Amino acid sequence: NAGVTQTPKFRILKIGQSMTLQCTQDMNHNYMYWYRQDPGMGLKLIYYSVGAGITDKGEVPNGYNVSRSTTEDFPLRLELAAPSQTSVYFCASSEAGTGYGYTFGSGTRLTVV
Amino acid sequence: DAKTTQPTSMDCAEGRAANLPCNHSTISGNEYVYWYRQIHSQGPQYIIHGLKNNETNEMASLIITEDRKSSTLILPHATLRDTAVYYCIVRVAQKSSGDKLTFGTGTRLAVRP
Repeated sequence: NAGVTQTPKFRILKIGQSMTLQCTQDMNHNYMYWYRQDPGMGLKLIYYSVGAGITDKGEVPNGYNVSRSTTEDFPLRLELAAPSQTSVYFCASSEAGTGYGYTFGSGTRLTVV
Repeated sequence: DAKTTQPTSMDCAEGRAANLPCNHSTISGNEYVYWYRQIHSQGPQYIIHGLKNNETNEMASLIITEDRKSSTLILPHATLRDTAVYYCIVRVAQKSSGDKLTFGTGTRLAVRP
């Protein structure tokens, strides 16, 4: 199994541009998450989803949007990129929201200039 | 979720046991202790979790004190590949919440040859 796949791995955006970070999982997990990690810091939750059609905000949702039309996919949208969104973005999934067994993707390193 | 306190950094010799402490003095009765690690810039990896009993799996052992106010993750024979940031997380296992693991800054473990 591929697990959690994120694309792209790296991206440079100009201020004001928009982009979508893709996340796909093949484990039939109901729960999916988007985190960001700034240098030297822990991960912060942006958005999460408990199933197709259901999404909710995490700790730092401003400047981002998500959708969950299928169980497999959970894309993260940046509408107007800002330098403060320079970070590494991790997508994760879990079978249930119990805290264990989260599977993380390998991350997308985004730089906004 | 209860707050956790971990040392910023530790080191140990290759082949020796690595004991990573975590304080969670405000833990409540229905909160679990979870451990994840992050190797270099990869996505975090689940290691182990427990409620009140000691737990062991193929990766590590988790020792939780009787009063549950602290715990220790033990890597019995550390290798260079165990060099990583280790996160101790405390939270309630809520299946319906889809809730969110909160990652602090963790302990940076350096395994030396």
